[in-house]
Amino acid sequence: QKEVEQNSGPLSVPEGAIASLNCTYSDRGSQSFFWYRQYSGKSPELIMFIYSNGDKEDGRFTAQLNKASQYVSLLIRDSQPSDSATYLCAVKGGSQGNLIFGKGTKLSVKP
Amino acid sequence: GAGVSQSPRYKVAKRGQDVALRCDPISGHVSLFWYQQALGQGPEFLTYFQNEAQLDKSGLPSDRFFAERPEGSVSTLKIQRTQQEDSAVYLCASSVGLAGDVSFGPGTRLTVT
Repeated sequence: QKEVEQNSGPLSVPEGAIASLNCTYSDRGSQSFFWYRQYSGKSPELIMFIYSNGDKEDGRFTAQLNKASQYVSLLIRDSQPSDSATYLCAVKGGSQGNLIFGKGTKLSVKP
Repeated sequence: GAGVSQSPRYKVAKRGQDVALRCDPISGHVSLFWYQQALGQGPEFLTYFQNEAQLDKSGLPSDRFFAERPEGSVSTLKIQRTQQEDSAVYLCASSVGLAGDVSFGPGTRLTVT
């Protein structure tokens, strides 16, 4: 069974700090990796995707991928209260279209 | 352009009733996915269409669940003889193709009483 694991949190950080969210996956054949943000009562929205080992930066967000360790992370710099949400890690296999999601990590940014 | 739309947004069904949930994907999106999200959990994959072909239905929890996309655009997820454990948010998503970004609709919250 292909699995994606995340710490459910809640993760609490002060405003302006760096929030670090982590995810591990079981399927070594996974090809692409996604981070979605989900506000309470809303649907998931894509923040970032990453395909290659290393870091990918987009504004305050940095995704990091280590395929050897089967580990992907999301860093949020200068965290804002509006970043408070559940962050979902998702993985897609090479020949599959569907995403496999983790249970999500709830982030709370305190003013 | 318009995003993925779903209807109804909320549905209350008595146990044993049949329900039908509709999804309108983004125009031109070939791939369509259905997910089930229980409270406090991540979305769980149910089924996947490429155009009108249902390529993967491995996530459907029982034979009470049935999905179709007869003309390769709008899709309907039908649940027969609903049970309390079917209570969840049902999310529809679409993408241009296998490799495209997946966009989610607002979901249908189903409550079975």
